[in-house]
Amino acid sequence: NAGVTQTPKFRVLKTGQSMTLLCAQDMNHEYMYWYRQDPGMGLRLIHYSVGEGTTAKGEVPDGYNVSRLKKQNFLLGLESAAPSQTSVYFCASSDGGFTDTQYFGPGTRLTVL
Amino acid sequence: AQTVTQSQPEMSVQEAETVTLSCTYDTSESNYYLFWYKQPPSRQMILVIRQEAYKQQNATENRFSVNFQKAAKSFSLKISDSQLGDTAMYFCAFMILNRDDKIIFGKGTRLHILP
Repeated sequence: NAGVTQTPKFRVLKTGQSMTLLCAQDMNHEYMYWYRQDPGMGLRLIHYSVGEGTTAKGEVPDGYNVSRLKKQNFLLGLESAAPSQTSVYFCASSDGGFTDTQYFGPGTRLTVL
Repeated sequence: AQTVTQSQPEMSVQEAETVTLSCTYDTSESNYYLFWYKQPPSRQMILVIRQEAYKQQNATENRFSVNFQKAAKSFSLKISDSQLGDTAMYFCAFMILNRDDKIIFGKGTRLHILP
């Protein structure tokens, strides 16, 4: 039981490049989330999913897209990376929604030059 | 707009002491949840404790307890018998019931437990 895993752990992009962050969970959770964490700030919700095939916008969705084609995977895409997207990205999952315990992955540190 | 304020950017205490981290929030809603999350140097976020606003009894999880004062909109975390493994960033978070897109985190308090 690996919990929540994220791929990759680190990435450096040039402005305008695209990439996809992969989140996988093996707990059969319905809900999955993508957050970003910037220095001196708490987490901010980017997008989330309440089940396979569904996605919804969070607090800071602009510049990101997501997909939940399989229940265990939640992908975060950056189509045209910008320096403002330099951050640490966390994926999380939970069984019964936001008020249930969210299990977090180890994070992905992304730098956009 | 809902906000969460953690007024202590950084704290240090000796091992085995008790420490209290403060958190205040602002909302006009009456049904909500409050959370404390811990982020150790490994970066992975861990839920420490959760409180439903409609419950008057303060939540407790082993050495961790909260002092929830709804009227004052205060939600402090007390760590008793602190251990070296408690060294981490601690985030207070707030969420309105049935508003899934609105979980608000504070900026965090960095806690150092000194040997």
